[in-house]
Amino acid sequence: GESVGLHLPTLSVQEGDNSIINCAYSNSASDYFIWYKQESGKGPQFIIDIRSNMDKRQGQRVTVLLNKTVKHLSLQIAATQPGDSAVYFCAETPASNTGKLIFGQGTTLQVKP
Amino acid sequence: SQTIHQWPATLVQPVGSPLSLECTVEGTSNPNLYWYRQAAGRGLQLLFYSIGIDQISSEVPQNLSASRPQDRQFILSSKKLLLSDSGFYLCAWSVKGQADYEQYFGPGTRLTVT
Repeated sequence: GESVGLHLPTLSVQEGDNSIINCAYSNSASDYFIWYKQESGKGPQFIIDIRSNMDKRQGQRVTVLLNKTVKHLSLQIAATQPGDSAVYFCAETPASNTGKLIFGQGTTLQVKP
Repeated sequence: SQTIHQWPATLVQPVGSPLSLECTVEGTSNPNLYWYRQAAGRGLQLLFYSIGIDQISSEVPQNLSASRPQDRQFILSSKKLLLSDSGFYLCAWSVKGQADYEQYFGPGTRLTVT
């Protein structure tokens, strides 16, 4: 079946630096790609999404890039802060409009003071 | 504003015992509802999703079942727990139609089967 995976299990960055979290997906028919943030012991929180007909979308301090040629998704966090420490999941949704999400394994972001 | 509740927060159950986890959503009507399981250090696995009362789809064959007796209530059950049922169970909701991939998660229930 389809799967969404991540390149690195853990990413450690210095406070103030930019972070880049990567994700590879396999279903070229997916309609939306989404990033979620999960803090320890809590449920995931929606960060940002991008539709398959776009290649870049910006939010507050975050940018998501989509490269459909190589089926690659990335999340860039500018000026990383200690509060950004969490596990980040990419997810994709098939074009069937059921709201079903396929999640990747997650990347742990550690921010060093 | 909308809120989602799950209980209990933690649960320790012996193998073979029954299970009932409850999820309720407030502040919205006719939401899509979802049950996910997250094993330690892993991503989320969709177990069930529901588009309406008594309309539930199962994603993974297993000894779990789900029910939606009311519009904003979603229940995850098992008649006999297995060790492999241990994990972090998350309920989520989304608005139907528009951006239904934008899901709002509850605080989760950590289940340990001993």
